[in-house]
Amino acid sequence: DAGVIQSPRHEVTEMGQEVTLRCKPISGHNSLFWYRQTMMRGLELLIYFNNNVPIDDSGMPEDRFSAKMPNASFSTLKIQPSEPRDSAVYFCASSLGGSGMNEQFFGPGTRLTVL
Amino acid sequence: AQSVTQPDIHITVSEGASLELRCNYSYGATPYLFWYVQSPGQGLQLLLKYFSGDTLVQGIKGFEAEFKRSQSSFNLRKPSVHWSDAAEYFCAVGAGPSGGGADGLTFGKGTHLIIQP
Repeated sequence: DAGVIQSPRHEVTEMGQEVTLRCKPISGHNSLFWYRQTMMRGLELLIYFNNNVPIDDSGMPEDRFSAKMPNASFSTLKIQPSEPRDSAVYFCASSLGGSGMNEQFFGPGTRLTVL
Repeated sequence: AQSVTQPDIHITVSEGASLELRCNYSYGATPYLFWYVQSPGQGLQLLLKYFSGDTLVQGIKGFEAEFKRSQSSFNLRKPSVHWSDAAEYFCAVGAGPSGGGADGLTFGKGTHLIIQP
């Protein structure tokens, strides 16, 4: 299995531009998570999906952030418009099963820089 | 809401020496506890996890952790570290059986492990 796939691995954009991060979970996994990692705040859960349905988006910082999961094999995290404070590493993770005990498998992350 | 504290931002250990990384959690019921490791430029990899039963859990790469309910701790240990263990280590807590199905993890800020030759 290729593991969780994220693209792009690096993204540099200018303030005000739209940014779309992509994630392909491990085949067969039915839970998907988006995390953000910064030096100041560490790893934060932004949103997670179960069976393609958003379950908890309380971690999404602002309305500028949105996430979708149109099918079991693809999810996007969009920031529009982007701001310099959005610069971070964004991780996608997936797991099999719908309880907190299931191991989450992380992708390599997307390093976002907003100038 | 749960929270995790890793009091040590950096730890330096000589190769071959023993290691203990501290983790304290706050959660109102029985938690699920995890340790992840992150190598530079990589995603997170699960080292071990605790759900119930034996409070001493064994993980990959020779790591173990002990759950102490009375101290709200889940410290990670390794008897003899190798240079390849240099990485960032994260403790995480998940909502336990009474958590109502909440799946997201709450992570500590991480401990950066440096191995001296």
